[in-house]
Amino acid sequence: AQKVTQAQTEISVVEKEDVTLDCVYETRDTTYYLFWYKQPPSGELVFLIRRNSFDEQNEISGRYSWNFQKSTSSFNFTITASQVVDSAVYFCALTQHGSGNTGKLIFGQGTTLQVKP
Amino acid sequence: DGGITQSPKYLFRKEGQNVTLSCEQNLNHDAMYWYRQDPGQGLRLIYYSQIVNDFQKGDIAEGYSVSREKKESFPLTVTSAQKNPTAFYLCASRGSNRGNQPQHFGDGTRLSIL
Repeated sequence: AQKVTQAQTEISVVEKEDVTLDCVYETRDTTYYLFWYKQPPSGELVFLIRRNSFDEQNEISGRYSWNFQKSTSSFNFTITASQVVDSAVYFCALTQHGSGNTGKLIFGQGTTLQVKP
Repeated sequence: DGGITQSPKYLFRKEGQNVTLSCEQNLNHDAMYWYRQDPGQGLRLIYYSQIVNDFQKGDIAEGYSVSREKKESFPLTVTSAQKNPTAFYLCASRGSNRGNQPQHFGDGTRLSIL
């Protein structure tokens, strides 16, 4: 069965702390894609990153970094020196098995990050 | 600016009433999606459409209906058969049929029961 698990329901940190959001997935596909989205209080989901199953390079974009480890089926997201504007719900998602080119995704339950000043 | 517009932002439904949520995109995207989001849960797919005049059921299609008469529009009707419609509804679109392309989302519509 396919599944995306974000075990951390809520995380609270103080500004400038580093924080890691965990994402563990299950799939029997050999080719798949993983995504991270941010949902600020306004409601829309904002695309952050896409990773395909053949590319295990870590990626850094400013204060954001992602650690993809196929051996542990994890795709964790770290925010360095967190800021109040990082407060949001963060979703990890996986392309659904057999989705072909439909783009269907399976989402985790989301992690609510609160960054306090 | 290109984007996805959902309206209304808030909607109230009476018992036995059908309501329609609007989703319009000017990104020239072929594929469009409707999701339902409940508190503490991830997004669940209701319906999706890859081309005009064609759409498929997602994981929780019962009690919902859609149409795709124009490329830019994908309205969702919440029918009276949907007994628990209170949720946040998100519309998304995607430009390419390649599996790795991300979906782009609207601001959502919050539906409540009167």
